[in-house]
Amino acid sequence: DGGITQSPKYLFRKEGQNVTLSCEQNLNHDAMYWYRQDPGQGLRLIYYSQIVNDFQKGDIAEGYSVSREKKESFPLTVTSAQKNPTAFYLCASSAGPGNTIYFGEGSWLTVV
Amino acid sequence: QKEVEQNSGPLSVPEGAIASLNCTYSDRGSQSFFWYRQYSGKSPELIMFIYSNGDKEDGRFTAQLNKASQYVSLLIRDSQPSDSATYLCAVGDAGNMLTFGGGTRLMVKP
Repeated sequence: DGGITQSPKYLFRKEGQNVTLSCEQNLNHDAMYWYRQDPGQGLRLIYYSQIVNDFQKGDIAEGYSVSREKKESFPLTVTSAQKNPTAFYLCASSAGPGNTIYFGEGSWLTVV
Repeated sequence: QKEVEQNSGPLSVPEGAIASLNCTYSDRGSQSFFWYRQYSGKSPELIMFIYSNGDKEDGRFTAQLNKASQYVSLLIRDSQPSDSATYLCAVGDAGNMLTFGGGTRLMVKP
């Protein structure tokens, strides 16, 4: 099946710990995105990548890092510098400008 | 700062009625407009997109765009309880960067 796979679905982070959320797509899409959603809120853009080996900061990049070494993969690391990381994280992809953005199933991150 | 505004709701309609969801945006250069449906705890799923002024119909859904008024709406005819969800309006710029509204929660009562 074609789609966007995020893992893990649920993740718990201890204070001061870095964690990485995986995102893989087999849609052959050039562009990939990471969004954060807080309860009852809309989506906010963390990072995006339009081509391999290139990525740009979104509106709330502080405390996060990404890489885009392969077209299919766009992992997100939530660093200890992100002071309030508890949220629902959504990875998305599109074929490029003007094309629809599709979402993965999301990952829930909780700080314990 | 680009802004997309939606009434958070909840919007409550009886089963079989028309639900009207509205969205306004601040960037006059916006080029693409999307409606996503999001069930609680799930990821958003695309319902419709619209690029040109006017109406676009797909089954029970109609998207309406008025660029002069910077306004986009979604009508759901014959609303069903399964339509109960949060509806997210998203507005895209020339580079396909989407700005999302906060969503409107729709409740369809049997």
